[in-house]
Amino acid sequence: NAGVMQNPRHLVRRRGQEARLRCSPMKGHSHVYWYRQLPEEGLKFMVYLQKENIIDESGMPKERFSAEFPKEGPSILRIQQVVRGDSAAYFCASSPERLYTDTQYFGPGTRLTVL
Amino acid sequence: DAKTTQPPSMDCAEGRAANLPCNHSTISGNEYVYWYRQIHSQGPQYIIHGLKNNETNEMASLIITEDRKSSTLILPHATLRDTAVYYCIVSGGYGNNRLAFGKGNQVVVIP
Repeated sequence: NAGVMQNPRHLVRRRGQEARLRCSPMKGHSHVYWYRQLPEEGLKFMVYLQKENIIDESGMPKERFSAEFPKEGPSILRIQQVVRGDSAAYFCASSPERLYTDTQYFGPGTRLTVL
Repeated sequence: DAKTTQPPSMDCAEGRAANLPCNHSTISGNEYVYWYRQIHSQGPQYIIHGLKNNETNEMASLIITEDRKSSTLILPHATLRDTAVYYCIVSGGYGNNRLAFGKGNQVVVIP
């Protein structure tokens, strides 16, 4: 049973380019979460999605960032016009449809470097 | 917006039990205590969680005080591979909530 998969594992972009980060949840999981970890800091929640719906995007910057989780295919975190401050590790987590649990399973992360 | 307090770091001896404390004095009745760890910038790994009873699994034991204001994660026989940042998280009990990671406790297992 494959775990949460993220690709690419490392991504280098120049300022002003777009970054697309992909996350495939564990089989059977319909909930996806994105977290960001800036250098030397803890993980910060960004967005929570279910299939075709954004449930909570309260942690997402209002500009340049967007996320989707289509009916088919992986969840995508998109960062437009990247700046150096976007350099961070971006982690995706998934969980099944289940009440009374916040057990989330994390992927290995995508390390974004903006030059 | 973390609602827990942990020591910033601690050392423990390889082969001994490691007791990791966490204070969560403002925990509410339907909130669970979760423990995750992050080994050297890998993705966080779920360890264990509990509501009010003590819990044990193949990785660790979780002891929650009767008033639920604090808890202790116990790694029964620490190994070098247990060196990691450990996060104690309080999360709403209805499921599918975002996790509020604080600064965690950097645990170093010493040979």
